[in-house]
Amino acid sequence: EIVLTQSPDFQSVTPKEKVTITCRASQSIGSSLHWYQQKPDQSPKLLIKYASQSIAGVPSRFSGSGSGTDFTLTINSLEAEDAAAYYCHQSSTLPWTFGQGTKVEIK
Amino acid sequence: QVQLVESGGGVVQPGRSLRLSCAASGFTFSTYAIHWVRQAPGKGLEWVTVISYDGINKYYADSVKGRFTISRDNSKNTLFLQMNSLRPEDTAIYYCATGGGGYGEPVHYWGQGALVTVSS
Repeated sequence: EIVLTQSPDFQSVTPKEKVTITCRASQSIGSSLHWYQQKPDQSPKLLIKYASQSIAGVPSRFSGSGSGTDFTLTINSLEAEDAAAYYCHQSSTLPWTFGQGTKVEIK
Repeated sequence: QVQLVESGGGVVQPGRSLRLSCAASGFTFSTYAIHWVRQAPGKGLEWVTVISYDGINKYYADSVKGRFTISRDNSKNTLFLQMNSLRPEDTAIYYCATGGGGYGEPVHYWGQGALVTVSS
């Protein structure tokens, strides 16, 4: 199975700061990499699909990049409401796999 | 709008069985592959199983293969997960999730989850 490794595991950030989360795949997955946000006691929410495609209704401060094995989620000008866990997910091959998650805390 | 509503969760002893359901509405259920994804308390997301739009093809994570069975009733827009020989490590919130007809689509829609607790 394809292993996804996110870094960092945890990040404490002040509002308006830029956040960068990386996701590395154990083998090439093309662009079949997606990002989700999960707030406490909520279901995950799709933020970015296919590495860099935006999702309707998601603020434009969220963006994604990458292909092959290395991917990045960027949050420009962090807002207090962005405190959450973020997961990458590959749908290139079954079994689907997810990164271990990155928790973003607001200072 | 799209809704996925899980039910059937609860507390069960190790070795026993439980059946989850997921009622879908707001989209053409019979054209979508549907997944179960679980999340142990305080942990990350783990894919469990998927069923094709027509119910013919099914795939499972190694951790549940031989113990869990996914099925669907397209006439009732409902997905099922039969969980047998449950173990404490199966304790998790179980989400039904879908994004499209193929297995490669991201998850656009998630249910609210059903909590399964395996404990004596």
